[in-house]
Amino acid sequence: GNSVTQMEGPVTLSEEAFLTINCTYTATGYPSLFWYVQYPGEGLQLLLKATKADDKGSNKGFEATYRKETTSFHLEKGSVQVSDSAVYFCALSIHGSGNTGKLIFGQGTTLQVKP
Amino acid sequence: NAGVTQTPKFQVLKTGQSMTLQCAQDMNHEYMSWYRQDPGMGLRLIHYSVGAGITDQGEVPNGYNVSRSTTEDFPLRLLSAAPSQTSVYFCASKKGGSNGISYEQYFGPGTRLTVT
Repeated sequence: GNSVTQMEGPVTLSEEAFLTINCTYTATGYPSLFWYVQYPGEGLQLLLKATKADDKGSNKGFEATYRKETTSFHLEKGSVQVSDSAVYFCALSIHGSGNTGKLIFGQGTTLQVKP
Repeated sequence: NAGVTQTPKFQVLKTGQSMTLQCAQDMNHEYMSWYRQDPGMGLRLIHYSVGAGITDQGEVPNGYNVSRSTTEDFPLRLLSAAPSQTSVYFCASKKGGSNGISYEQYFGPGTRLTVT
């Protein structure tokens, strides 16, 4: 089946530390991969995406590379800020009814950045 | 554009009561969906729709009904609320079409439901 597995949280870092949140997936066919972020009390918003193998998505200093050989899409940031504190969700999109693409989410990883 | 809107923001129900969670989008998106978010479980798909008049079940559809009479609206009905339905509910929408798997999904702000 199709599934996404993220590293367990919470992840607690000091400001300016390097961040990695691991994400691996299993999927039939060729999915698109996404990272969504949820700030406290809000809905999810797209952080970055990659639609084919070896693509790198990037936004706001965050990066993730679509690795087909290791079925991974790890999220990285070189220097985190307190404002990055949030819950991060890895997700994949697969072809569904009408080819519109259903999202399957990982369980989410809470990041807390301390000053 | 207001994007995806949901009402109410908070709701408390007693076991056995019914209610409808409202969702609307003004982006002319074909695809709409409902998720529930529970601690440690990520978001799970309840129902989705690929266009007006077309709906289908997701991963956890039991206890919920949906309909899609217009492109804009996608209400979620709880027929007889149970404590296991205590959760945060998110509605989302995205463009459809053959490239649909690569399109961004837009989320509403959520409805926090408590069933006592």
